[in-house]
Amino acid sequence: GQQVMQIPQYQHVQEGEDFTTYCNSSTTLSNIQWYKQRPGGHPVFLIQLVKSGEVKKQKRLTFQFGEAKKNSSLHITATQTTDVGTYFCAGQGGSEKLVFGKGTKLTVNP
Amino acid sequence: KAGVTQTPRYLIKTRGQQVTLSCSPISGHRSVSWYQQTPGQGLQFLFEYFSETQRNKGNFPGRFSGRQFSNSRSEMNVSTLELGDSALYLCASSLAGVRTEAFFGQGTRLTVV
Repeated sequence: GQQVMQIPQYQHVQEGEDFTTYCNSSTTLSNIQWYKQRPGGHPVFLIQLVKSGEVKKQKRLTFQFGEAKKNSSLHITATQTTDVGTYFCAGQGGSEKLVFGKGTKLTVNP
Repeated sequence: KAGVTQTPRYLIKTRGQQVTLSCSPISGHRSVSWYQQTPGQGLQFLFEYFSETQRNKGNFPGRFSGRQFSNSRSEMNVSTLELGDSALYLCASSLAGVRTEAFFGQGTRLTVV
């Protein structure tokens, strides 16, 4: 079945450094969504990408969807302590299911 | 508007027992999905209900079941609990399923002893 791999599993940065997490699917995706889960919290929707090669920005966050619609990335510029949490990608392939990556846990040292 | 409400927030059960978890979606949302979250496996899809019908199912044993009522509220049941069922169970509601933004509840933390 469809698998979504996400790397790295953990990332520790100094405040002000950039951060990137990558997501790769075993199959072509119809869409990919990104979520953030703060420690002790629940996943919160960040964005959805649908088009091949799509790039979307939200302030310091940049999301990309690969040309082949099999990979995606989330890049945070100049991290802040408020960025701490686990970032998940979730892809929808041929079935009507969202398959989540295992997430990248980001810690930020002030 | 009110968010997704899950009850109870915490549960402790004994092996062999059964448990029912409840999820009230955002008003107007017809799709409710359930996920199991564990440190080792991440978020794993259990099933999705849309307008009272199970539309999709993940790879979990038959001990895991669910249903959705006419008001879109959903329940999830786990029978014959095992230690490995200890997890955070998250419910997510959306307008139309996986093609639309999912709103997660706070989850139910289930501990099986």
